[in-house]
Amino acid sequence: AQTVTQSQPEMSVQEAETVTLSCTYDTSESDYYLFWYKQPPSRQMILVIRQEAYKQQNATENRFSVNFQKAAKSFSLKISDSQLGDAAMYFCASSGFKTIFGAGTRLFVKA
Amino acid sequence: KAGVTQTPRYLIKTRGQQVTLSCSPISGHRSVSWYQQTPGQGLQFLFEYFSETQRNKGNFPGRFSGRQFSNSRSEMNVSTLELGDSALYLCASSSGGSDNSPLHFGNGTRLTVT
Repeated sequence: AQTVTQSQPEMSVQEAETVTLSCTYDTSESDYYLFWYKQPPSRQMILVIRQEAYKQQNATENRFSVNFQKAAKSFSLKISDSQLGDAAMYFCASSGFKTIFGAGTRLFVKA
Repeated sequence: KAGVTQTPRYLIKTRGQQVTLSCSPISGHRSVSWYQQTPGQGLQFLFEYFSETQRNKGNFPGRFSGRQFSNSRSEMNVSTLELGDSALYLCASSSGGSDNSPLHFGNGTRLTVT
């Protein structure tokens, strides 16, 4: 079975600080991808970052980076220099045969 | 390039009725996936269509069905609506190739069943 678990329902960060959102996954597939998606209050889901499981190097997109630990099946998202616009629901997802999402983490950014 | 378009944005139905939701993918995308989003369950995978064929299916009852047309547009139908079907239904498109290309989401259809 393919599962994605986000154990933090809510997180809070001060503007300009760094926050890490956790995600663990399980899959029987050997070839898969991992994603973080962001859903702002306007509700359209957008891609934040993508990691190919066969690549050991952690993906980075500007202020967003991941810590991918394949053996531990862990895929956390680090947001540096947090901005008010980062406030949203963040979903971790695993894609192999199909794309499965975690329950989401709501991130609050304090001014 | 136009994004993923879902219609209608909002729907209010009564228990026992049926409903059809529509999704137009990004031009060139051949895969369309449907998700049900609720506060308690997060995003639950309904099904995926690729080139007019259902390629994957989630664990939903047979009341939930879908189809995809030759122009890649997709419809999702829910029959005999139940109160628990109230949710945000999200459609996402992708190229559908073997590279696990990212999903591009629409704004969703908010279904309320009374």
